[in-house]
Amino acid sequence: EAGVAQSPRYKIIEKRQSVAFWCNPISGHATLYWYQQILGQGPKLLIQFQNNGVVDDSQLPKDRFSAERLKGVDSTLKIQPAKLEDSAVYLCASSLDRVNYGYTFGSGTRLTVV
Amino acid sequence: DAKTTQPTSMDCAEGRAANLPCNHSTISGNEYVYWYRQIHSQGPQYIIHGLKNNETNEMASLIITEDRKSSTLILPHATLRDTAVYYCIVRVAAAGNKLTFGGGTRVLVKP
Repeated sequence: EAGVAQSPRYKIIEKRQSVAFWCNPISGHATLYWYQQILGQGPKLLIQFQNNGVVDDSQLPKDRFSAERLKGVDSTLKIQPAKLEDSAVYLCASSLDRVNYGYTFGSGTRLTVV
Repeated sequence: DAKTTQPTSMDCAEGRAANLPCNHSTISGNEYVYWYRQIHSQGPQYIIHGLKNNETNEMASLIITEDRKSSTLILPHATLRDTAVYYCIVRVAAAGNKLTFGGGTRVLVKP
C-alpha cells in the first residue's frame, strides 16, 4: 500500500510569514494526526482527526495554528504568523480505526523559520 | 497514558543482539507496550507491541516482565541500518487512541 504522503519536504520562511503543510493519508485510514517534532525531542501531538472531525486539539496553539481535513481524506496544517520557535519537523500519521492497529507516519516537513 | 523511562543512548555492535530496556512502573492493566523507531530524516516506524505475553515478529522481539513494570526490545542481529531513536510507549489500545512520545533511546550500531 502507498504510504502517508506529505509536502513540501522542506520549507524556509521568515518570521511572521504564513506556511501550509499538506498530508495525504493511507487510503481508508479514518484517523489522522499531526505531530510537531523539535530537534532532539520526541514528536508532540498537535491535533487528531477522526474522519473530518477534530477529536483532540488540546496541544494546538490555536492563536497561530489551524488545521482541517477536507472530506475526511487530505489534511492541511497552517501556521500564521510563524515564530522562530515553530522551527521543527511536522509529521503526519494515519491509522485504521481499529484496536491494536499501529500508526503509519509520513516523512515529515522540515520547517525553518528565520 | 503511563510514563516510560528509557536510557538516553546506547551503542551496540553490528551482528550482535541489541537489548533496549524500558521501565513503565505505573502501567495500567489495559495499557499495551508499543515500540516505534525513528531513523534519521524519517517518520517513526512501528516495530511491535504487546500486553502481557512476549511477542516476536520479523523485526524484533518484545519481552515483558511478569509484573509488566518493564520490558525489553530485542533486535536479534543488529545492522547499521538499525541505528535510530527507539521509543517505548504505553497506551490503551482503543481505536483512535493517541501515541504520546517521550525522548526515546538513541541507538548507534557500530561496525
